[in-house]
Amino acid sequence: NAGVTQTPKFRILKIGQSMTLQCAQDMNHNYMYWYRQDPGMGLKLIYYSVGAGITDKGEVPNGYNVSRSTTEDFPLRLELAAPSQTSVYFCASSQPSGLASHEQYFGPGTRLTVT
Amino acid sequence: GDSVTQMEGPVTLSEEAFLTINCTYTATGYPSLFWYVQYPGEGLQLLLKATKADDKGSNKGFEATYRKETTSFHLEKGSVQVSDSAVYFCALSGGGSEKLVFGKGTKLTVNP
Repeated sequence: NAGVTQTPKFRILKIGQSMTLQCAQDMNHNYMYWYRQDPGMGLKLIYYSVGAGITDKGEVPNGYNVSRSTTEDFPLRLELAAPSQTSVYFCASSQPSGLASHEQYFGPGTRLTVT
Repeated sequence: GDSVTQMEGPVTLSEEAFLTINCTYTATGYPSLFWYVQYPGEGLQLLLKATKADDKGSNKGFEATYRKETTSFHLEKGSVQVSDSAVYFCALSGGGSEKLVFGKGTKLTVNP
């Protein structure tokens, strides 16, 4: 199993450009997430989805958009890149079951620099 | 809202030393607690978890006990190895939500 895959691994954008970060999972998980990781700041939730066709904002959604047309894919769109969006982006997925929360599986990350 | 506070890093230890990374939390109800590890250049992976008070999570020689009375979930290992060098994140999920709230992470470096 590939688990959670992300592309690209690295990207440099100019201010104002747009791009889509791709995320796919092959575990048939209903829940998917996008996080950004800034140095010394832990991970902040950008958007999440509880199933195909359903998305919701996390803690830091401004400047981003998502869609979830299939269970497998959860792309993150940056419309007008700004230097403040320089970060490492992680996609994750999970499958809730019963009362106990289950682990999230993370992709390897995309390192984005906006200059 | 829910929050996680973990000890500031970085932490530098010699091989075979004892490790403690402190983690305390604020949450309503009874959250599940997690430790995730991030090795250099990789994504996060679950190290261990505990879902109710007094549960002890353990994996790869690491362990942590869910202490409701002190709202803590400290990570310990009796003898660290160079290969344990990584960033460790404490996290919680609560209120029936699958969303995770992370601490800021603690970077551990183990020298031979």
